[in-house]
Amino acid sequence: DAKTTQPPSMDCAEGRAANLPCNHSTISGNEYVYWYRQIHSQGPQYIIHGLKNNETNEMASLIITEDRKSSTLILPHATLRDTAVYYCIAFHDYKLSFGAGTTVTVRA
Amino acid sequence: EAGVAQSPRYKIIEKRQSVAFWCNPISGHATLYWYQQILGQGPKLLIQFQNNGVVDDSQLPKDRFSAERLKGVDSTLKIQPAKLEDSAVYLCASSSGESGNQPQHFGDGTRLSIL
Repeated sequence: DAKTTQPPSMDCAEGRAANLPCNHSTISGNEYVYWYRQIHSQGPQYIIHGLKNNETNEMASLIITEDRKSSTLILPHATLRDTAVYYCIAFHDYKLSFGAGTTVTVRA
Repeated sequence: EAGVAQSPRYKIIEKRQSVAFWCNPISGHATLYWYQQILGQGPKLLIQFQNNGVVDDSQLPKDRFSAERLKGVDSTLKIQPAKLEDSAVYLCASSSGESGNQPQHFGDGTRLSIL
């Protein structure tokens, strides 16, 4: 069962930061939060994951609240190629359980 | 580093026929997964292998689906006989282990259409 809640869709402007929210109020203390994205006709692409601390890599930043009940994925400078479905997943019982995700549309 | 390779990319068959998909994981990855993704939904795990042993196949419809991972590297997923509801994208993923700190990496999948 998906243990995360995401908005079904959101728009953002090209060149601006995109902030994607995710609620995971029932997540356990040892469950990682993962973010993947899926561009049309491709497989899901790993973006980033974290447990308690904020994380940053070449693609994005992950901000996890201190109580771990929610997190935000930040794409620092959105481009048209960032248009995709973004999945926030709580890694539970050795599994990734994908929900419906957020459809993000980057507009010029 | 080469990614997860899958073939074929597309497959069209008639219902009641059989079909097989092939997956070559990232080199050195011990854990391999097969997912089914129906149009408009997120991927759903079908089966998980650790080396050549099955870890979880609780969501695999075993009356028609089978999978194997001989020698702990490549894997094949078979459907026999296919039903109309099996139309989906079949995704393979691999990871270096099954812990929460080891990301899964996906191939681009095989798109199966049942006529």
